[in-house]
This record gives sequence, structure tokens and C-alpha cells, in this order.
Amino acid sequence: GENVEQHPSTLSVQEGDSAVIKCTYSDSASNYFPWYKQELGKGPQLIIDIRSNVGEKKDQRIAVTLNKTAKHFSLHITETQPEDSAVYFCAASIGGTGGFKTIFGAGTRLFVKA
Amino acid sequence: NAGVTQTPKFQVLKTGQSMTLQCAQDMNHNSMYWYRQDPGMGLRLIYYSASEGTTDKGEVPNGYNVSRLNKREFSLRLESAAPSQTSVYFCASSPVPISGNTIYFGEGSWLTVV
Repeated sequence: GENVEQHPSTLSVQEGDSAVIKCTYSDSASNYFPWYKQELGKGPQLIIDIRSNVGEKKDQRIAVTLNKTAKHFSLHITETQPEDSAVYFCAASIGGTGGFKTIFGAGTRLFVKA
Repeated sequence: NAGVTQTPKFQVLKTGQSMTLQCAQDMNHNSMYWYRQDPGMGLRLIYYSASEGTTDKGEVPNGYNVSRLNKREFSLRLESAAPSQTSVYFCASSPVPISGNTIYFGEGSWLTVV
């Protein structure tokens, strides 16, 4: 089955710096890659996603890149702010009739120091 | 706009006790899920219901049962709680059971089994 590895597990950056979180997946059939942000005491919330027919997607300060050949995808946060501090999860999803399966990475705890 | 609501938020159980986690969504979504979150393990799918009237096992179903009561409600039952079931449980929903759909999470239920 699908396996998603996420690195690093913890990331500390200075406010204003960039943060990069990387994930790899194992199943080449995966075709949808969402990123979720989980703030303390809350459930995860989708922040950006990318599909397998797209190489890069941006939304203000966040961007995601996908390399299908290498089975890598990454989250880039520029000009980090203290409110970006949270746990971030990548995920890989395989579609199909009758149901779906989304496999999550183990998460990255991001600290943005003011 | 409540989204996904789950109860209780906190619960302490003794080994061998049973309990049911309740979940309801008001977004008219077809699919509902139960995940558990453990440190360093990310989010793992326990059970899901692709549509009303169907339920399927996820990655870690042992020790759990589910009921899709109607389109809105999806409950998770622990028949005989074990310390290994100490975790944070998230109920979630999505519009349709195919790849590429955002998963909307509840705020979580913290369960401790002593």
C-alpha cells in the first residue's frame, strides 16, 4: 500500500525566513496531494493541494511543488510569521470508484520565532 | 456554521470499559471518517463510510466498530478499551468518496485509557 514519509519532524525558523517541508510517496497511482495545517487543540485544515497533472501551485505565501518522477512533493512557506507555527501534514491520495484512501505523513512541527 | 462536531472532547476510561464517540456533520457530505492521531504516527484511518449505508475498514480498525446512523452521523465505538487506544480521535467528512476532495475535520476527542 501507499506510504508517505515526511521530513523534517521539527523545524524552527526565524520570522521572515522561509520554511520547506518535504514528502515522498511510494505508490505511483497517487494523484492528489493535499497539505493540512493543525493548530494547537484543533483539527487539521486544508491549506493547499496539488494534483498529479500540475507541477507547482502557489497561494500567497505558500506554494507546493510536485515531482512525479521522483515521487516527491514539498511545501514552501515564505516570509514566515508567528501564526504559521503549527503542525503540517502532507498526504497522498489514490482515487477510485467506491471509495478513496488518503495516507498522511507523520507531520512536521513548525516553530516560527519572533 | 458548525461543520463537523464530535463529542465528547475529553474522556478517561478504565481498561475494559466501553464508550461511543459521536460525530455529526452539517455540510451534507456523503463520506465520513474516523482517524486517530498518535505522536510521530500522523493521522491513521480507522474506519470510513463512503456513503450512507456503507462502512469500510481503514488502516487500523482492530478494537473499533462504527455505525453510519444516517447521512449526518457516524459514531465510533470502543467495545473493550485498551491502553493502546489512548489517542486523539478525529471525525471527518468529505463531499464525495473520490480522490481530490478536501477532508473537513472535527476538533478532536482526547481519549485516555488507564
